[in-house]
Amino acid sequence: KAGVTQTPRYLIKTRGQQVTLSCSPISGHRSVSWYQQTPGQGLQFLFEYFSETQRNKGNFPGRFSGRQFSNSRSEMNVSTLELGDSALYLCATSEQGTGELFFGEGSRLTVL
Amino acid sequence: DQQVKQNSPSLSVQEGRISILNCDYTNSMFDYFLWYKKYPAEGPTFLISISSIKDKNEDGRFTVFLNKSAKHLSLHIVPSQPGDSAVYFCAASANLNAGGTSYGKLTFGQGTILTVHP
Repeated sequence: KAGVTQTPRYLIKTRGQQVTLSCSPISGHRSVSWYQQTPGQGLQFLFEYFSETQRNKGNFPGRFSGRQFSNSRSEMNVSTLELGDSALYLCATSEQGTGELFFGEGSRLTVL
Repeated sequence: DQQVKQNSPSLSVQEGRISILNCDYTNSMFDYFLWYKKYPAEGPTFLISISSIKDKNEDGRFTVFLNKSAKHLSLHIVPSQPGDSAVYFCAASANLNAGGTSYGKLTFGQGTILTVHP
């Protein structure tokens, strides 16, 4: 079974730009969650999608958004990038959104 | 307000000895606890979990203990191997008792860097 696939792995943007990250879950996993990892804040929950609906949301500003497609693939978007958005963005998937989550390798975003 | 805390940023042990990683939590709604291991440039990998209805769960060299009254859990690795060197994260969720409001949300500790010396 293929694991969680995230693209791109690395990207560099400048302040004010926007970025879209992609996540393909493990086959059969319908829940996709997104996390932000920074040295100072650790791993922080962004949001979770299940059957194309956002079921849960963390404490991030509206610049952070996401969506899920009918094949369970998910994208997250960050608009009007700020320097503080530089982080590793991790996607995690599971069958129902409970219990163990399986993480991808992450997308490393650098904002200059 | 950090609801899950790992107070030891790092731990160093000799190969073959026991590694004990600790984690404290404050939210009494948490009812499911997990440990993840993370290598540089990789995503976290699930290690072991425990439900709040148990006080111990064992999987090979890894054992997790849960003390609900103290809101404390620990991960024991016996015997430790150099390949265990990584960052270990404790995580918690409120699944069973929260009416399903914690979908996909794990609350993580800050992590402990474990170094196992040959």
